Amino acid sequence: GAGVSQSPSNKVTEKGKDVELRCDPISGHTALYWYRQSLGQGLEFLIYFQGNSAPDKSGLPSDRFSAERTGGSVSTLTIQRTQQEDSAVYLCASSLLRLAGGGILDEQFFGPGTRLTVL
Amino acid sequence: AQSVTQLGSHVSVSEGALVLLRCNYSSSVPPYLFWYVQYPNQGLQLLLKYTSAATLVKGINGFEAEFKKSETSFHLTKPSAHMSDAAEYFCAVSDYLDSSYKLIFGSGTRLLVRP
Repeated sequence: GAGVSQSPSNKVTEKGKDVELRCDPISGHTALYWYRQSLGQGLEFLIYFQGNSAPDKSGLPSDRFSAERTGGSVSTLTIQRTQQEDSAVYLCASSLLRLAGGGILDEQFFGPGTRLTVL
Repeated sequence: AQSVTQLGSHVSVSEGALVLLRCNYSSSVPPYLFWYVQYPNQGLQLLLKYTSAATLVKGINGFEAEFKKSETSFHLTKPSAHMSDAAEYFCAVSDYLDSSYKLIFGSGTRLLVRP
């Protein structure tokens, strides 16, 4: 079946512009995650969705970052007034959400990422 | 809170040699641990996962990892490196706190395979 898809694959924008990044998770996956991968920072968690709700937004770096998920499926990550430090690869992942005492049993399936460059 | 440490940002081996990538974790609860691989310009792909069923976990592409609670380690090994194994490898621990579920990643180890 289809995996996680993200669009665009590459985005170049000017400082101060807004950008929208899209994620299509695997059908039936109730959990959706956004991560950011940048040089020197590794892989950082941004936000987690369970259905359309986001119980954990703790990783969003500033109030310029927001995300939504509609219909329990597609998610959009929006960055307003982009800054050069926002340049990174933004990865989306989805999973079923079987839980045990210590956390998530199921693997997260990752999309190919969106490479954002802010000039 | 959970955390992961990967020793060595770069590891270089000869083709056919043993691969050993190190991962140590810190967790206040029994951990669920994962190894992911990332090839250039691609997303992350799961190699294997530990979810307490067995301490020696076998994954794809001939990789395996052993969970050692006494050492808080989950090192990744492969008996014989292949050129196609050159990639970046990430160890991760599942984090669950107050209805928040996420993976906490190590900083990654880039594996170089010399011919």
